[in-house]
Amino acid sequence: KAGVTQTPRYLIKTRGQQVTLSCSPISGHRSVSWYQQTPGQGLQFLFEYFSETQRNKGNFPGRFSGRQFSNSRSEMNVSTLELGDSALYLCASSLGRGYGTDTQYFGPGTRLTVL
Amino acid sequence: KNQVEQSPQSLIILEGKNCTLQCNYTVSPFSNLRWYKQDTGRGPVSLTIMTFSENTKSNGRYTATLDADTKQSSLHITASQLSDSASYICVVSEEYGNKLVFGAGTILRVKS
Repeated sequence: KAGVTQTPRYLIKTRGQQVTLSCSPISGHRSVSWYQQTPGQGLQFLFEYFSETQRNKGNFPGRFSGRQFSNSRSEMNVSTLELGDSALYLCASSLGRGYGTDTQYFGPGTRLTVL
Repeated sequence: KNQVEQSPQSLIILEGKNCTLQCNYTVSPFSNLRWYKQDTGRGPVSLTIMTFSENTKSNGRYTATLDADTKQSSLHITASQLSDSASYICVVSEEYGNKLVFGAGTILRVKS
């Protein structure tokens, strides 16, 4: 079974631009969660999508948004990029809701650098 | 405020030795606790998931323990290998908020 895939793996943008990241979950998984990881803040929860609906959201500004398609693939969008948005963006998929006891499988991440 | 604190922040051990990583949490009510291993430049990999009714769970050379009364968990690594060098992250699921609270992680380096 293929694992969670994320594209692109690396991205360089400049301040003010916007970016879209993509995540393909493991086949059959309905939950996709997004996380931001930085050396200073560690892993921080962005949001979770389950059956095409955003079910949970972390404490991030409205510039961060996402969506999930009917095939469970998910995209995350960041508008008006700031230097502080430079981070590793991880997505994770699971059969059930992300906070439950189903194992979350993480993708390799997208390394975003904002110049 | 719901928090997860891990100790030590970093640890260096010799190959073949055992080690124990600690996780203290204030998350309440608590639904489950997970330990993840994250190699440099890669996504975290789940090691164990425990509910409040479980005291111990093993995954090969990794054994996690949970004391829900004192809100403490530990991850014990037996006979460490160089490939165990990674960051180990403790994550607690908050029941009513349906959210995950992450610890900052412990960076383990295994030396030969």
